[in-house]
Amino acid sequence: QSALTQPPSVSAAPGQTVTISCSGSSSNIGKNYVSWYQHLPGTAPKLLIYDNYVRPSGIPDRFSASKSGTSATLGITGLQTGDEADYYCGTWDTSLSVVLFGGGTKLTVL
Amino acid sequence: VQLVDSGGGLVQPGGSLRLSCEASGFIFSRYSMVWVRQPPGKGLEWVSSIIGGTGDTYYADSVRGRFTVSRDDSKEILFLQMSSLRVEDTAVYSCARRGFGTGWNFDLWGQGTLVTVSS
Repeated sequence: QSALTQPPSVSAAPGQTVTISCSGSSSNIGKNYVSWYQHLPGTAPKLLIYDNYVRPSGIPDRFSASKSGTSATLGITGLQTGDEADYYCGTWDTSLSVVLFGGGTKLTVL
Repeated sequence: VQLVDSGGGLVQPGGSLRLSCEASGFIFSRYSMVWVRQPPGKGLEWVSSIIGGTGDTYYADSVRGRFTVSRDDSKEILFLQMSSLRVEDTAVYSCARRGFGTGWNFDLWGQGTLVTVSS
């Protein structure tokens, strides 16, 4: 069981907006930066967001993220069929000295 | 700029395997590296980290004492020596590079190599 909790699945229609939550605790999200990844089966995960809300070069501004307390949220606007993937949050846990990933959220674009 | 994972395969419970991750296109020695695995049908699981420069290592509880991460900066290769393998270690194993920024984030990933532990 992951120490970071994500909804197993979310869905929305093309063009719409979706949010994916990531809930942790004071020793991980509460103290450390959060990153987000997009993972299509059979491919390498792609870094979407780092340091809570920073987009790497080449990531469109349709992807955004925020953090508040012990939770973080990824938002995707203008959904496209190519956005269908699994999305993971990740952070460091200060008490455990480990990297944590959320359980992953499968996005379906209807 | 890429990471290429190799070394996976079928191994019996209790056996050993060594994974490799060859880096190219960047100054490998400057970066901390990690191994992450994904069991079939499940999510990502961090396995181990090795810090660039110091060589300090960290392990998930599930593999501590059985797996050893190491690196050869002269050849730009990351290794994961796995021993006393268990059925539950079956997964696709990928190496990843810690990216810029303050937090732990991974901006470059290998394509993964499948490890199957089965009798």
